[in-house]
Amino acid sequence: DVKVTQSSRYLVKRTGEKVFLECVQDMDHENMFWYRQDPGLGLRLIYFSYDVKMKEKGDIPEGYSVSREKKERFSLILESASTNQTSMYLCASSKSLGLYEQYFGPGTRLTVT
Amino acid sequence: AQSVTQPDIHITVSEGASLELRCNYSYGATPYLFWYVQSPGQGLQLLLKYFSGDTLVQGIKGFEAEFKRSQSSFNLRKPSVHWSDAAEYFCAVVHRAGKSTFGDGTTLTVKP
Repeated sequence: DVKVTQSSRYLVKRTGEKVFLECVQDMDHENMFWYRQDPGLGLRLIYFSYDVKMKEKGDIPEGYSVSREKKERFSLILESASTNQTSMYLCASSKSLGLYEQYFGPGTRLTVT
Repeated sequence: AQSVTQPDIHITVSEGASLELRCNYSYGATPYLFWYVQSPGQGLQLLLKYFSGDTLVQGIKGFEAEFKRSQSSFNLRKPSVHWSDAAEYFCAVVHRAGKSTFGDGTTLTVKP
């Protein structure tokens, strides 16, 4: 079974802090994704990566950056956390470019105070 | 542009009753469609997918979905709902670039 793990289930940070959210997948998938999920807004794509060191902006990249130094790991970085970034963050992976389903991690609920 | 609409934000059904969750899509080419389920506090899990062929597809946990091109719909059904089906359900269309567009989700509540 594909496994996608996220470094924290719950995280509380202060405004202005730099925040790292880590995601690891164990099935040699090429694509990895970061979403945020807010009530009534569904899943919104922040960034995705289709290869090591390759990234592409999603629908809401402002205030975020990403890093993919190894194929299995995809990090989401909040350079200076703000209260409007309080949300559920979901990581996902898929096999490759093409028509494949995504496999999701359990999510990280981030609260910025 | 691709879009997915789930018209029902919240649905309540009694345990044992049948269920239908609606999904409409807008996509320029042949759509490749998915239904995912998210239990409280969890990530999303794939229920079923449609790529081509038979328009009625079977998934896990007794769910099925029917693709209707003429109506641009991909509705999810289950003949008899169990209390454990209470969750949020997402319909999605995948693009050739590997990204997906998700609907806003439908929350299912199951009454005893």
